[in-house]
Amino acid sequence: AQKVTQAQTEISVVEKEDVTLDCVYETRDTTYYLFWYKQPPSGELVFLIRRNSFDEQNEISGRYSWNFQKSTSSFNFTITASQVVDSAVYFCALSEGWDSGYSTLTFGKGTMLLVSP
Amino acid sequence: EAGVAQSPRYKIIEKRQSVAFWCNPISGHATLYWYQQILGQGPKLLIQFQNNGVVDDSQLPKDRFSAERLKGVDSTLKIQPAKLEDSAVYLCASSPGTGGYGYTFGSGTRLTVV
Repeated sequence: AQKVTQAQTEISVVEKEDVTLDCVYETRDTTYYLFWYKQPPSGELVFLIRRNSFDEQNEISGRYSWNFQKSTSSFNFTITASQVVDSAVYFCALSEGWDSGYSTLTFGKGTMLLVSP
Repeated sequence: EAGVAQSPRYKIIEKRQSVAFWCNPISGHATLYWYQQILGQGPKLLIQFQNNGVVDDSQLPKDRFSAERLKGVDSTLKIQPAKLEDSAVYLCASSPGTGGYGYTFGSGTRLTVV
């Protein structure tokens, strides 16, 4: 069965600090996808990134970067120079079985990030 | 492109009452999902539709929850009768199909059962 663990329940930083959100996953599939979502106080889930299991290249998008390491089953998310607007709950999610059309997302419990001015 | 539409935005009911939520996915998206998000937790899948057929409803409490997707477009999720532990945000999502591209969530319906 697939499982996602986000060990950090809550992180508090001061604006402009860098912060890394950890995500560890479990799956028996060789083909799977990993996601990060942001959930601001308004409640909607905002898509940040999708990564497939065959692509271990790290990715950078502005102040956001992601480090995918299959050897440790981790998909960590770093925000550089954090801003108050980054305050939200961040979810890591896993999906396996895409080839069979099964595309459910299994979410971690989320990490609440609080960025203070 | 219009997003995933859900209504109502909020709903408060008494336990043992019934409630229904509506979802209209992104046009052309074959796959539709209903997730339940209890406060402090990540969303959990309730049911997945591919067009108007059910792909996975293994985590749907079928004694009280039901869902349908008539004509493969919009969908309704019903709870009857509601329990206190059903208080949660119900999220609808849609995607074009497999592969994860375009997996988009609606804003959700916040249900409070008192």
